[in-house]
Amino acid sequence: DSGVTQTPKHLITATGQRVTLRCSPRSGDLSVYWYQQSLDQGLQFLIQYYNGEERAKGNILERFSAQQFPDLHSELNLSSLELGDSALYFCASSVERGFWAPTGGADRGGEQFFGPGTRLTVL
Amino acid sequence: GESVGLHLPTLSVQEGDNSIINCAYSNSASDYFIWYKQESGKGPQFIIDIRSNMDKRQGQRVTVLLNKTVKHLSLQIAATQPGDSAVYFCAEENTGFQKLVFGTGTRLLVSP
Repeated sequence: DSGVTQTPKHLITATGQRVTLRCSPRSGDLSVYWYQQSLDQGLQFLIQYYNGEERAKGNILERFSAQQFPDLHSELNLSSLELGDSALYFCASSVERGFWAPTGGADRGGEQFFGPGTRLTVL
Repeated sequence: GESVGLHLPTLSVQEGDNSIINCAYSNSASDYFIWYKQESGKGPQFIIDIRSNMDKRQGQRVTVLLNKTVKHLSLQIAATQPGDSAVYFCAEENTGFQKLVFGTGTRLLVSP
């Protein structure tokens, strides 16, 4: 158990709908990352928050948005869902995100711990 | 349990063998690399990392080799065990851009 929790575990919805995925980082971790894992594109970085502020952006669609709350939990909002949005969505957290250390670096608190994921199915 | 896609290269080994998983990375400017393990139904788990100023790093039963000339990364697992069965990903980062880019993964199957 990584200490990162994600809810729900499974989500089935229809095209055009909007869903919210939730992530609680490990206790004490300030950084939260969101990833999408699909069959055809593997694991893709979406977005990162550090202590409530957006820190880095990856291949995140405009229909998707995220935020990190004062208690450090994060939500990923997916709207106008399409069939191609069906995927596993992972959240990861790390202690901090210093600019002096690589994103995933095990030194200086950069190691990312992944949650179990949310499987989204869009029908 | 859910895992990665079905169309992954697969390495099948016997318990006790040494395994070598390879990864070709894409960005010559990448200066940091990580290997992750993903078991069925779970998220990726950090195994070992290496910076570009090194060509080898050893952990417990694992060794990562980096060849920057040909942009190649490998993960060696000694005395492979059934519990090592999983999908293994390499990830690269150009620390100036602060984003991890993952490879497509290799499925390791260990038979007793």
